[in-house]
Amino acid sequence: KQEVTQIPAALSVPEGENLVLNCSFTDSAIYNLQWFRQDPGKGLTSLLLIQSSQREQTSGRLNASLDKSSGRSTLYIAASQPGDSATYLCAVRGGTASKLTFGTGTRLQVTL
Amino acid sequence: DVKVTQSSRYLVKRTGEKVFLECVQDMDHENMFWYRQDPGLGLRLIYFSYDVKMKEKGDIPEGYSVSREKKERFSLILESASTNQTSMYLCASSGWTQSYEQYFGPGTRLTVT
Repeated sequence: KQEVTQIPAALSVPEGENLVLNCSFTDSAIYNLQWFRQDPGKGLTSLLLIQSSQREQTSGRLNASLDKSSGRSTLYIAASQPGDSATYLCAVRGGTASKLTFGTGTRLQVTL
Repeated sequence: DVKVTQSSRYLVKRTGEKVFLECVQDMDHENMFWYRQDPGLGLRLIYFSYDVKMKEKGDIPEGYSVSREKKERFSLILESASTNQTSMYLCASSGWTQSYEQYFGPGTRLTVT
């Protein structure tokens, strides 16, 4: 059974710092991996989707990398801003192509 | 833009009541999903559907049922609500194209008293 882990559970950084969020998964036979953002009490917003054949995917200040063989993905956020404060979730899509397995998230706070 | 809407943002029900949570998507997606989210447990899949009138159990289907009579609408039913079903409920949809990327609704915070 696929298990997804995100460490740390919480992170606080000053504005302007570059930061990396980590995601690891136990079964490397994935179809793709998706990073989401969730604001308190709200739904999830898709940030990036990275295919199993890709190494990286970029959108603005965000860059996601994938090392399928080692079961790891990272989300890099450049020049962090207070508006980046949210919970970031990664989810992997495995054998049944449409289903996702989620990590429990990293709660990010960017301080002024 | 894909839009997934849920019928209520907040809902308070009594133990034993029958509860309906509605989800509608406007992107002609084949797949629809119901999750619940609890602190420390993350998102857990309750049921999903890959076509009209088709449904599959997720990881925690006990105490829930679903209905998909039209492609755009997926309903979650709590036959007899219990306090342990107090949670945030999230609906999502995805298409066979776009690499099955899932799009989420805003969530329904259900409290069962």
